[in-house]
Amino acid sequence: EVQLVESGGGLVQPGGSLRLSCVASGFNFGSTTMTWVRQAPGRGLEWVANLKEDGSDEYYVDSVKGRFTVSRDNAKSSLYLQMNSLRAEDTAVYFCARGGARYFEYWGQGTLVTVSS
Amino acid sequence: DIVLTQTPLSLSATPGQPASISCKSSQSPLRSDGKTYLHWYLQKPGQSPQLLIYEVSNRFSGVPDRFSGSGSGTDFTLKISRVEAEDVGVYYCMQSAQISSKTFGQGTKVEIK
Repeated sequence: EVQLVESGGGLVQPGGSLRLSCVASGFNFGSTTMTWVRQAPGRGLEWVANLKEDGSDEYYVDSVKGRFTVSRDNAKSSLYLQMNSLRAEDTAVYFCARGGARYFEYWGQGTLVTVSS
Repeated sequence: DIVLTQTPLSLSATPGQPASISCKSSQSPLRSDGKTYLHWYLQKPGQSPQLLIYEVSNRFSGVPDRFSGSGSGTDFTLKISRVEAEDVGVYYCMQSAQISSKTFGQGTKVEIK
């Protein structure tokens, strides 16, 4: 069974940093592009970033370029999202999803990030 | 970036009756490999999104056959042949034609009458 478990969310002040983690199980993590998608409270879905299986290609939505960095540790079946210079508009539930080159097959339950003073 | 526009934004469906959602793309989500990268997701209340249809018309594993997708070019449709109570939630179309950018439609909220 595919499982994706996010963690690391919480309350952070504007300008602060946070690192999200996603631990995967039930599939060959090292052979799959992985993705972060976010959902602001009461809003729709927004693709944030994805990272190729070998870490060679990473892509970001324009609004987070230069502030967020996606990385992975295939030995630990883990995906990360380092978020710096956080803004109020980054407040959202962040989902980790399997896939990204084509579509997102499975999603985690998400972790809530709140940026507020 | 490709913009996806869904209609309607909300839908009150009658159990046992059909329902459909439209997704119009600002440009074709067709890639050079000949595949059209337009997909549909359902987010049930309090849950994370789940993949329903990929590449226009392919049902994902475990998705009931009352769900179907169709379309080409810039116009796409998700159809539910006979709506059931468990189909409530928000439906999103998504395009992944551009490797460096993926976008979602605004979402269509489906309720049961």
